Amino acid sequence: AQSVSQHNHHVILSEAASLELGCNYSYGGTVNLFWYVQYPGQHLQLLLKYFSGDPLVKGIKGFEAEFIKSKFSFNLRKPSVQWSDTAEYFCAVNARGGYQKVTFGTGTKLQVIP
Amino acid sequence: NAGVTQTPKFQVLKTGQSMTLQCAQDMNHNSMYWYRQDPGMGLRLIYYSASEGTTDKGEVPNGYNVSRLNKREFSLRLESAAPSQTSVYFCASSDSWRGLAGTYNEQFFGPGTRLTVL
Repeated sequence: AQSVSQHNHHVILSEAASLELGCNYSYGGTVNLFWYVQYPGQHLQLLLKYFSGDPLVKGIKGFEAEFIKSKFSFNLRKPSVQWSDTAEYFCAVNARGGYQKVTFGTGTKLQVIP
Repeated sequence: NAGVTQTPKFQVLKTGQSMTLQCAQDMNHNSMYWYRQDPGMGLRLIYYSASEGTTDKGEVPNGYNVSRLNKREFSLRLESAAPSQTSVYFCASSDSWRGLAGTYNEQFFGPGTRLTVL
């Protein structure tokens, strides 16, 4: 069975600081990878996804993530955060092929201080 | 397109009461899901429906039932609510397509239902 680990539960940054949120997954086969964002009081929205090809994926709002297959990792990065990035971020994985069940990490709460 | 819609947005129940959460999607997706979100636990899958006419249990199905009414609608029922079911419930839908390297999908989420059981 697949699983996802997000080791940072709560991150506090000042505006303009750089961000990196860790995500590791465990699954023996090929996977699709996702980062979702949940702004306060809202539903989950897709930030970016990796299906195949270039392991460096660019998403909305200046976010990017790099898939490192050898490390089973899909870390989320942003060079300079803004107060509006305050949200909870979820990494998710689904095994490619067959049924489309998606497994989510426990989330990382990001607080950006102006 | 409205995407994924859920009703109600908020609900307060007493222990033992029943209710049904409604979910509909207008993206013609085959698969639909119900998750619950609890602090520090991320999203946990309650039930899913891979296609119209099928439903299966997820990680935390106890105390819930589902109905895939048609391709658009997927409801979640609490027969006898318990305080442990206080949570935020999200419905999602997805479709899959087959590419050169395998099967791909992306889930789209509804706005959520905040349920409190007293």
